[in-house]
Amino acid sequence: AQTVTQSQPEMSVQEAETVTLSCTYDTSESDYYLFWYKQPPSRQMILVIRQEAYKQQNATENRFSVNFQKAAKSFSLKISDSQLGDAAMYFCAYRSGGGGADGLTFGKGTHLIIQP
Amino acid sequence: KAGVTQTPRYLIKTRGQQVTLSCSPISGHRSVSWYQQTPGQGLQFLFEYFSETQRNKGNFPGRFSGRQFSNSRSEMNVSTLELGDSALYLCASSISQGRRAEAFFGQGTRLTVV
Repeated sequence: AQTVTQSQPEMSVQEAETVTLSCTYDTSESDYYLFWYKQPPSRQMILVIRQEAYKQQNATENRFSVNFQKAAKSFSLKISDSQLGDAAMYFCAYRSGGGGADGLTFGKGTHLIIQP
Repeated sequence: KAGVTQTPRYLIKTRGQQVTLSCSPISGHRSVSWYQQTPGQGLQFLFEYFSETQRNKGNFPGRFSGRQFSNSRSEMNVSTLELGDSALYLCASSISQGRRAEAFFGQGTRLTVV
């Protein structure tokens, strides 16, 4: 079974600074997808960014970018120019690309605090 | 376009009772997945439905069941509730069953079992 590990329960960053959230995963599959989700106090999970394992190029969405290291099974999220609205729980998630997948496998999450 | 709607938002039940939660996906979405979120176990996959058929199931006891209707709306049922079933239950819909299809989540149903 796949596992996703987020080693930072909480991170704090000053507004306008850059912060990197870590995520590692364990899988024997070669075809899979990785995601970062944001869960604000409203509890609604919002997709931040997605990475296909077969793509070597790191995904980028405006101020959010990932550092995908397939061999190291690492998938970190970088948030540039942090804003107060970025404060939330961030979850790293894995989904198998093959059949019989068990939905999304999530990490335990990182609570991101933005200091004004 | 309306998002994923989960009802009710909050629920309090007594041990031994059963409960039904509802999820209305985004219009046009045919895949619905359910997740349980607790402080201890985090987010765990319950099951996924596509075209009224359960496609995948997580590691949960048979007390947890679900179904999907022809309009893609889904219900989740938990029978013989236990204290440990207290959790936030999240529903997500996707336009298809494809692995890369983005999952859109609802705001969840907070279930408290007393």
